[in-house]
Amino acid sequence: GAGVSQSPSNKVTEKGKDVELRCDPISGHTALYWYRQRLGQGLEFLIYFQGNSAPDKSGLPSDRFSAERTGESVSTLTIQRTQQEDSAVYLCASSLYGTGIGNEQFFGPGTRLTVL
Amino acid sequence: QKEVEQNSGPLSVPEGAIASLNCTYSDRGSQSFFWYRQYSGKSPELIMSIYSNGDKEDGRFTAQLNKASQYVSLLIRDSQPSDSATYLCAVNNAGNMLTFGGGTRLMVKP
Repeated sequence: GAGVSQSPSNKVTEKGKDVELRCDPISGHTALYWYRQRLGQGLEFLIYFQGNSAPDKSGLPSDRFSAERTGESVSTLTIQRTQQEDSAVYLCASSLYGTGIGNEQFFGPGTRLTVL
Repeated sequence: QKEVEQNSGPLSVPEGAIASLNCTYSDRGSQSFFWYRQYSGKSPELIMSIYSNGDKEDGRFTAQLNKASQYVSLLIRDSQPSDSATYLCAVNNAGNMLTFGGGTRLMVKP
């Protein structure tokens, strides 16, 4: 079946502009995650959605970052007033279940964000 | 701070050899352990998961888990140049997100 999809694949923006990144999880997966990967660095957790529960926003670096998800479908990550330090690859992952042993997460291809 | 530690490498092995990748974690409550492969410029790809102490084999890959020592490893037998990538260890403590190590870069030389 289809994997996790993300759009756009690349986004170049000017400092101070808002950007919106989209993630479409694997069909039937109840949990969705956003991570960030700066150049040459590891993955940082940003936010987690599980069904209709309140999202876990503990990884969001500032109030300029927000995300939404409707039910168990598409999610959008919004970065307001972008800064150069926001430049990174933003990765979305989904898993069948959000908690418990197992919870294999499958990643999309990512969106490479460059803030000039 | 829940940490996952990996040697950054590069780990260089000749084609056909066994590559051994190691990972330690700090949270004793961790329950699920994963190995991802990430080619340069690509997203992480799940290659192995392990939940119980001992070995788990899948083709050329073997994951090993020792919860008492808080240690996870990945063995790649008959290494191929196409195995050259960064290998990420990830740990889940039954919470919501994965905590990733910084990755080990593997180079398999023909």
